[in-house]
Amino acid sequence: RKEVEQDPGPFNVPEGATVAFNCTYSNSASQSFFWYRQDCRKEPKLLMSVYSSGNEDGRFTAQLNRASQYISLLIRDSKLSDSATYLCVVNGYNNNDMRFGAGTRLTVKP
Amino acid sequence: ETGVTQTPRHLVMGMTNKKSLKCEQHLGHNAMYWYKQSAKKPLELMFVYNFKEQTENNSVPSRFSPECPNSSHLFLHLHTLQPEDSALYLCASSPRRARETQYFGPGTRLLVL
Repeated sequence: RKEVEQDPGPFNVPEGATVAFNCTYSNSASQSFFWYRQDCRKEPKLLMSVYSSGNEDGRFTAQLNRASQYISLLIRDSKLSDSATYLCVVNGYNNNDMRFGAGTRLTVKP
Repeated sequence: ETGVTQTPRHLVMGMTNKKSLKCEQHLGHNAMYWYKQSAKKPLELMFVYNFKEQTENNSVPSRFSPECPNSSHLFLHLHTLQPEDSALYLCASSPRRARETQYFGPGTRLLVL
């Protein structure tokens, strides 16, 4: 089983839609969880950390489900500028390094 | 504007060439990382340096040789690469090694002919 698994997509949604991505992880001892965003031919950039209680930043909501070992990202009222690849990041088995998912590609269309 | 810079941004090299990638961070961080990103694959962690000491080498072939002269600079020396080494090489830094937000440089897009 991969350490971090994501649905590669692509997700093609119209502007204004709500879209959700899930990410599963294999290390039950993981403590740190992040969502990064990577635009085409650019470096990954932190979108948000994921806290145990769930957290929201504007149109973006992140949730953690430890029992089922997954994290989710919900994007409301999608904008064209949300088009990107979203990377799930979880700390690895040695507890000190981060493991990246392969990413989920989102395209928001007019 | 990212606090992590990388040079060169693009590199084409033959299999017998020797080249070096450079990374510099201006964030006062103590941990630096090299990642490889190939098409449709997750980022692969290659090396980790924490306070200038190499703490991780993820079974990377010896044709890749890292160097970290201080906490702000990281190099990746390349020698006798293979075409399958063509990828985007990303440098990142974090305040300390361990479960923290990493800040990435723009990457070096490498093509090995």
